[in-house]
Amino acid sequence: AQSVTQLGSHVSVSEGALVLLRCNYSSSVPPYLFWYVQYPNQGLQLLLKYTSAATLVKGINGFEAEFKKSETSFHLTKPSAHMSDAAEYFCAVSVRSSYKLIFGSGTRLLVRP
Amino acid sequence: EAGVAQSPRYKIIEKRQSVAFWCNPISGHATLYWYQQILGQGPKLLIQFQNNGVVDDSQLPKDRFSAERLKGVDSTLKIQPAKLEDSAVYLCASSLAAGIQETQYFGPGTRLLVL
Repeated sequence: AQSVTQLGSHVSVSEGALVLLRCNYSSSVPPYLFWYVQYPNQGLQLLLKYTSAATLVKGINGFEAEFKKSETSFHLTKPSAHMSDAAEYFCAVSVRSSYKLIFGSGTRLLVRP
Repeated sequence: EAGVAQSPRYKIIEKRQSVAFWCNPISGHATLYWYQQILGQGPKLLIQFQNNGVVDDSQLPKDRFSAERLKGVDSTLKIQPAKLEDSAVYLCASSLAAGIQETQYFGPGTRLLVL
């Protein structure tokens, strides 16, 4: 069965600091991996996705993530945090045999001025 | 292009009452999804439609939840009777087709509180 674990329910960074949100997956077959962002009272918006092409994936708003098979990880990073990045971030996995997205429990990013 | 529309945005009911949520997907999107997001958790897929047919409803509590997508466009999700543990945000999403590389576009959700 596929699953996703997000380490840290809350992450706090200063404006301008590096953002690192962790995601580890479990899958018996090569996965497709996604990062979504959810702003308050809004639906989820796709940030980026890995579909077995390049292992370093660039997304919107300056975010990127690197697929590391050996570590079963897909961590999300951004070099410099902005106040507008404050939101909840969800990592999700899907597999080739199903179109179902399985989400992690989310990480709330707080950006301090 | 207009996004996924959902209504109502908020609903408060008492346990054992019934409630219905409505979703209008992005025009031309064949695949529609309903997710349940309980506070502090990630969304969980309840049901997936391809046009007006059900693709996956394995996690839908069928004794109390029902969903339909007549004419392959709008969809309604119903809970009857509601329980306290049904308090959650119900998210609707749509994609152009059913495929692993297809991006799912989410609506703003309906926040349900069962008292």
